Amino acid sequence: EPEVTQTPSHQVTQMGQEVILRCVPISNHLYFYWYRQILGQKVEFLVSFYNNEISEKSEIFDDQFSVERPDGSNFTLKIRSTKLEDSAMYFCATINMGRQYEQYFGPGTRLTVT
Amino acid sequence: KQEVTQIPAALSVPEGENLVLNCSFTDSAIYNLQWFRQDPGKGLTSLLLIQSSQREQTSGRLNASLDKSSGRSTLYIAASQPGDSATYLCAVLYGNNRLAFGKGNQVVVIP
Repeated sequence: EPEVTQTPSHQVTQMGQEVILRCVPISNHLYFYWYRQILGQKVEFLVSFYNNEISEKSEIFDDQFSVERPDGSNFTLKIRSTKLEDSAMYFCATINMGRQYEQYFGPGTRLTVT
Repeated sequence: KQEVTQIPAALSVPEGENLVLNCSFTDSAIYNLQWFRQDPGKGLTSLLLIQSSQREQTSGRLNASLDKSSGRSTLYIAASQPGDSATYLCAVLYGNNRLAFGKGNQVVVIP
């Protein structure tokens, strides 16, 4: 069965550095998402992406965040200047519109900001 | 704003007992509801999806019900096993196709 993949599985970075988290969505899915989960807290919606543009973003998704689909297969989340509070698990997800809008999640990238 | 609440936050049961996990949501204008399983430090595995027009969905030992008008869903796990130990997350799809999650039910099945 097709899967959403994410790289790296774990990223450690220093405060103020830029990071790029990568996702390869399931090929025939059209909606892509980023969610994050701070340790011990709920999974939170960050942004949705459809037809090569942002469909919706949450209040968390401020100017330090950006998303793009640079080559038609990868879907990336960039954090420009990381803060300690950005430490979290970041999940990429895609939606199968042909299967009752079921969302499929990748394994996540654990981001640690020191 | 859609708020999802799950109770109990944590529970332990002896192997073989049935599990009942509850989820409530504040806005009944949802497209569907998904139950996920999350193991410690891992990703989310979809267990069941219930469309807003459906009342329940079953997969093996798992059964999920949905009462959209009252904003409630229940996940039943029959004859629990130690391998069922995990956190179970409830999420509703609403608005512009975004998911709102509960904090989860952390389950421990004691052999």
